[in-house]
Amino acid sequence: KNQVEQSPQSLIILEGKNCTLQCNYTVSPFSNLRWYKQDTGRGPVSLTIMTFSENTKSNRRYTATLDADTKQSSLHITASQLSDSASYICVVSSGTYKYIFGTGTRLKVLA
Amino acid sequence: ETGVTQTPRHLVMGMTNKKSLKCEQHLGHNAMYWYKQSAKKPLELMFVYSLEERVENNSVPSRFSPECPNSSHLFLHLHTLQPEDSALYLCASSWWGTVPGTDTQYFGPGTRLTVL
Repeated sequence: KNQVEQSPQSLIILEGKNCTLQCNYTVSPFSNLRWYKQDTGRGPVSLTIMTFSENTKSNRRYTATLDADTKQSSLHITASQLSDSASYICVVSSGTYKYIFGTGTRLKVLA
Repeated sequence: ETGVTQTPRHLVMGMTNKKSLKCEQHLGHNAMYWYKQSAKKPLELMFVYSLEERVENNSVPSRFSPECPNSSHLFLHLHTLQPEDSALYLCASSWWGTVPGTDTQYFGPGTRLTVL
């Protein structure tokens, strides 16, 4: 069964600290993997997209990694800011119109 | 965020009401999607339209009826809903072509639906 699992479910960190969110997937075939950020009351916004051959990709303070062998991805947030408080969703694309979503990690950054 | 808009943003309806959700995309995309987002659950894909043709219908109850009159507009018609249908309904659009990785979905802000 195609599945995307994220951990932790929720996370609280202090402003300025770093954190890493995990995504494990059992999806076949694999097309690409995306990380989305969803602020409260808004729709998800794409942060990064990674294809099979990519190991690391950065977008400002966000760095995503992908290990296609172990089927794991991580999203590292550097020097967190209050505006990073949101849900982060991992999505694996598996062919035409096939998107498998994780349940997300809810991040809270405290001042 | 003006790429994908949704109205209304909030909706409260009784089980016998009929209402419609509206989605409009201004990004020139050729695919549009309806998702249901419930608490602590992954987004559930409901319908996909590509070039105004429905290409996916993920076993959604008939009380949800989609309509795509053109490539920029998508509707979700609701009738005789149940309380368990209360959720955030998200619309998304994307460009679906032959270049891998170009199918990033852009989401609207969602409609928060409460069924009494």
